[in-house]
Amino acid sequence: DTGVSQDPRHKITKRGQNVTFRCDPISEHNRLYWYRQTLGQGPEFLTYFQNEAQLEKSRLLSDRFSAERPKGSFSTLEIQRTEQGDSAMYLCASGVGGRVTGELFFGEGSRLTVL
Amino acid sequence: GENVEQHPSTLSVQEGDSAVIKCTYSDSASNYFPWYKQELGKRPQLIIDIRSNVGEKKDQRIAVTLNKTAKHFSLHITETQPEDSAVYFCAASIQAAGNKLTFGGGTRVLVKP
Repeated sequence: DTGVSQDPRHKITKRGQNVTFRCDPISEHNRLYWYRQTLGQGPEFLTYFQNEAQLEKSRLLSDRFSAERPKGSFSTLEIQRTEQGDSAMYLCASGVGGRVTGELFFGEGSRLTVL
Repeated sequence: GENVEQHPSTLSVQEGDSAVIKCTYSDSASNYFPWYKQELGKRPQLIIDIRSNVGEKKDQRIAVTLNKTAKHFSLHITETQPEDSAVYFCAASIQAAGNKLTFGGGTRVLVKP
């Protein structure tokens, strides 16, 4: 499968622990996005990268959240001192910057449960 | 920032009937409007999209219309089939601002055989 891949698919953790998610985008895509989706809601934008540069962060992204894309390829999203409200599906998407249509390709997501 | 509202939140139709989902957006600078389909436990997948310089686009049983003046767009599915059952999300973005998508809240469509 040459699509967007995310790891792990499921993560159960205790409140206060740190978690890290990884996203591998489609190889020729220079843009990478992180979204959060809670049950019954649409995905909410968190942050995006163009190559290795993080160009925008949502107000939803508190200081406990950090994202990196060190070599412009894969990306990691770390949540420190997790809270029960962080329980959600974390979706990664990739795309090509500069295209008029701007289609984003999503991964299957990483589901986080904070106990 | 952009705000996208989507209605209805649930839609039940008989197989073979049509389904219509409506969305409104707030930022007049938005110029790209995709629709994603998400089946249970699966990733969102693009089914159709439209740019702001086009009023309507069709792809087999699916069509999207855009009214820039009123800032609303709609998804039309004709001759619905059970495999059309899923959650559908509309979204809007500004192509020159990173193509960051703002999604609506979703419509759960159930097609009854």
